[in-house]
Amino acid sequence: NAGVMQNPRHLVRRRGQEARLRCSPMKGHSHVYWYRQLPEEGLKFMVYLQKENIIDESGMPKERFSAEFPKEGPSILRIQQVVRGDSAAYFCASSPDTAHEAFFGQGTRLTVV
Amino acid sequence: AQSVTQLGSHVSVSEGALVLLRCNYSSSVPPYLFWYVQYPNQGLQLLLKYTTGATLVKGINGFEAEFKKSETSFHLTKPSAHMSDAAEYFCAVSPKGTGNQFYFGTGTSLTVIP
Repeated sequence: NAGVMQNPRHLVRRRGQEARLRCSPMKGHSHVYWYRQLPEEGLKFMVYLQKENIIDESGMPKERFSAEFPKEGPSILRIQQVVRGDSAAYFCASSPDTAHEAFFGQGTRLTVV
Repeated sequence: AQSVTQLGSHVSVSEGALVLLRCNYSSSVPPYLFWYVQYPNQGLQLLLKYTTGATLVKGINGFEAEFKKSETSFHLTKPSAHMSDAAEYFCAVSPKGTGNQFYFGTGTSLTVIP
């Protein structure tokens, strides 16, 4: 059973471009979470999704950021018109319905130049 | 709302010394509790968790944590630090009965001095 897969591991974007971060949860997991980690800071919750539904997006900036978890395929975190301040490590985690345990991916390190 | 407080953003211990990383939560109902470890440029790995039952929980790499309801705490300990324990440690909670949401503390960076 493969772990949570995130790609790409590293992403470089110029200011104003779009960034798409992908997360494939573990097999059988229907809950996905996105977190942002800035240098020297902890994990900041962004959004919690189940298949085709956003459950909690209270941690996500209102503009430029969006997330989806379609019926088929990976969860996508999309950042439009990136700015330098978006440079961070973005982690995805997944959990099954029946257990309270989150499994993390290796993260995507976004650098905006 | 849930909150998790980790006292001490940086902790240094000598190799072989006791490791104690503190975590307190705020919740009227005790949540599920977790400790994760993060090595440089890696994702988070679960060390241990408390859901129900025995309040002293043993995890991987010799770590353990004790849930104390009266103190709303879930401190992480290890009797003897090893150089390989140097990493970032995160305490997290997941409220019961409200879905699988997780809230993390700000982390504690552990340095082990040879």
